[in-house]
Amino acid sequence: GENVEQHPSTLSVQEGDSAVIKCTYSDSASNYFPWYKQELGKGPQLIIDIRSNVGEKKDQRIAVTLNKTAKHFSLHITETQPEDSAVYFCAASILGDMRFGAGTRLTVKP
Amino acid sequence: DTEVTQTPKHLVMGMTNKKSLKCEQHMGHRAMYWYKQKAKKPPELMFVYSYEKLSINESVPSRFSPECPNSSLLNLHLHALQPEDSALYLCASSQETSGRTTQYFGPGTRLTVL
Repeated sequence: GENVEQHPSTLSVQEGDSAVIKCTYSDSASNYFPWYKQELGKGPQLIIDIRSNVGEKKDQRIAVTLNKTAKHFSLHITETQPEDSAVYFCAASILGDMRFGAGTRLTVKP
Repeated sequence: DTEVTQTPKHLVMGMTNKKSLKCEQHMGHRAMYWYKQKAKKPPELMFVYSYEKLSINESVPSRFSPECPNSSLLNLHLHALQPEDSALYLCASSQETSGRTTQYFGPGTRLTVL
């Protein structure tokens, strides 16, 4: 089955700096790659996603890149703010069967 | 509106109890999912329903029994649970399982088994 690895497990940045989280996946059949933000006591919230026929997608301060050949994808957050502090999960999906990375705890220090 | 609702928010049950978790969405989605999330871990897929039929069962013990009464509702029936089943149970929905597969999650039910 699909295996998703995510790094780093924790990330601390100063407000205004950029943050990068990286994931790799094992199953070349995976075709959908979402990123979720989870705050304490809440369910995961979709922040951006990318499909396998696209290499890059951007939404304001958030961008995701996908390298299908290398089977890795990354989340980039620019101009970080304290409210970006949360746990971020990457995921890879085939026909609704979605597997998550282990998560990255991002702390943005004011 | 991308809202998935779950009830109850919190549930405490003994190992001999029978209880149910409920999930509802009114986005017209035809795929619904149950996930289990332990503390400091990612969500783990349990079940997938597509067009009200069970399409994926990730070898979940029979003490967890899913039910999809209609396209808007998803239940998870619990019976004879163990303390290690204590976790956050998340429901999600998507338009379908192929193509438009973006999953939207509910807030979860925090389950404690005594």
